[in-house]
Amino acid sequence: KAGVTQTPRYLIKTRGQQVTLSCSPISGHRSVSWYQQTPGQGLQFLFEYFSETQRNKGNFPGRFSGRQFSNSRSEMNVSTLELGDSALYLCASSLVSGEAGNTIYFGEGSWLTVV
Amino acid sequence: GDSVTQMEGPVTLSEEAFLTINCTYTATGYPSLFWYVQYPGEGLQLLLKATKADDKGSNKGFEATYRKETTSFHLEKGSVQVSDSAVYFCALSVWGAQKLVFGQGTRLTINP
Repeated sequence: KAGVTQTPRYLIKTRGQQVTLSCSPISGHRSVSWYQQTPGQGLQFLFEYFSETQRNKGNFPGRFSGRQFSNSRSEMNVSTLELGDSALYLCASSLVSGEAGNTIYFGEGSWLTVV
Repeated sequence: GDSVTQMEGPVTLSEEAFLTINCTYTATGYPSLFWYVQYPGEGLQLLLKATKADDKGSNKGFEATYRKETTSFHLEKGSVQVSDSAVYFCALSVWGAQKLVFGQGTRLTINP
């Protein structure tokens, strides 16, 4: 079956703009989470949604937001973009949320460059 | 808080060499442990996992054993191939929190 699908794969934005990234989880998966990957900070957790509710949030400013739809698809939004927001944004999905050993599957990511 | 520490990279080996990538963790609860691999330009792929002490995860010739007494989850492979060249991430999750905490990653290069 299809894996986690993220769109767009690559995008370039200007400082001050906003961006919306989209994620379609594996069919049947109800938990979607987002991570930011940068060379300096590595992989950092942004937030997690389960059944349209945000369950966990990482240590990011309020400019980073997300939502989940009734079909489990998710979007994340970054407003007032800064140069430091340039990163690979990874979406991940899993069948359930919070259980021991729960396997989390990742998409290929959206590469965001802010100029 | 919860954290994962991996051995510093990059690591360069010859084909058929033995591989060890060290990983230690600190966790407030009883974590599950994972190794993920990232090939150039791609997302993360789960390599193996272990959910309780003394569990051994294995996949594609890679192995790692959950050692609670040493809070470690070292990755090993007996004979590496050029195709194993990638970045390897050790990670943990704590029950009740659907969140992975990652180590900094170890870049592995295998020369023919």
